[in-house]
Amino acid sequence: SAVISQKPSRDICQRGTSLTIQCQVDSQVTMMFWYRQQPGQSLTLIATANQGSEATYESGFVIDKFPISRPNLTFSTLTVSNMSPEDSSIYLCSVADRVYGYTFGSGTRLTVV
Amino acid sequence: ELKVEQNPLFLSMQEGKNYTIYCNYSTTSDRLYWYRQDPGKSLESLFVLLSNGAVKQEGRLMASLDTKARLSTLHITAAVHDLSATYFCAVENTGNQFYFGTGTSLTVIP
Repeated sequence: SAVISQKPSRDICQRGTSLTIQCQVDSQVTMMFWYRQQPGQSLTLIATANQGSEATYESGFVIDKFPISRPNLTFSTLTVSNMSPEDSSIYLCSVADRVYGYTFGSGTRLTVV
Repeated sequence: ELKVEQNPLFLSMQEGKNYTIYCNYSTTSDRLYWYRQDPGKSLESLFVLLSNGAVKQEGRLMASLDTKARLSTLHITAAVHDLSATYFCAVENTGNQFYFGTGTSLTVIP
């Protein structure tokens, strides 16, 4: 299955600042997905990122708050902008793998203070 | 939007006992996945169920899929402490997007 390197693994940020999370995949993939997992909760899809086009955002998530880049078929970034304590969550990227089920990055644990 | 519900949300069981976790979903899908998440960790793929009637087993865990009932089950046989984790089902829609269940937090008590 694909191997995803996600960084940073964790960060503590001041409110009002922005954090960019990176995911690097060891193979070319058409779609990458970004999820948020709030403390004690399930995963919620933020957006789907295709190379060469704008990301598609789920209801409740907007590009101004969570801009996404997808410059090539192996890399994507998610930025959490103008952070508030409510943004404290784990953020995960994922790629489709029909054999093993979708593969997830190791996650970024974000704490906003 | 596709809805995925799991029950129970919390499960405390004694070692050696059997139990089943249920996953119901709201719309047609032929692809269902089960994941395990340990505290502070990412998700580990357990099972991929791709057709009606699919059954897969790995160790003490067995997963099944009934697409007509829109139901999947994860059965635990003779639980051991190492199985303590949170288990998620996830359903894939036609746009290759995943929708996760609410999760079942399993604690196996010696």
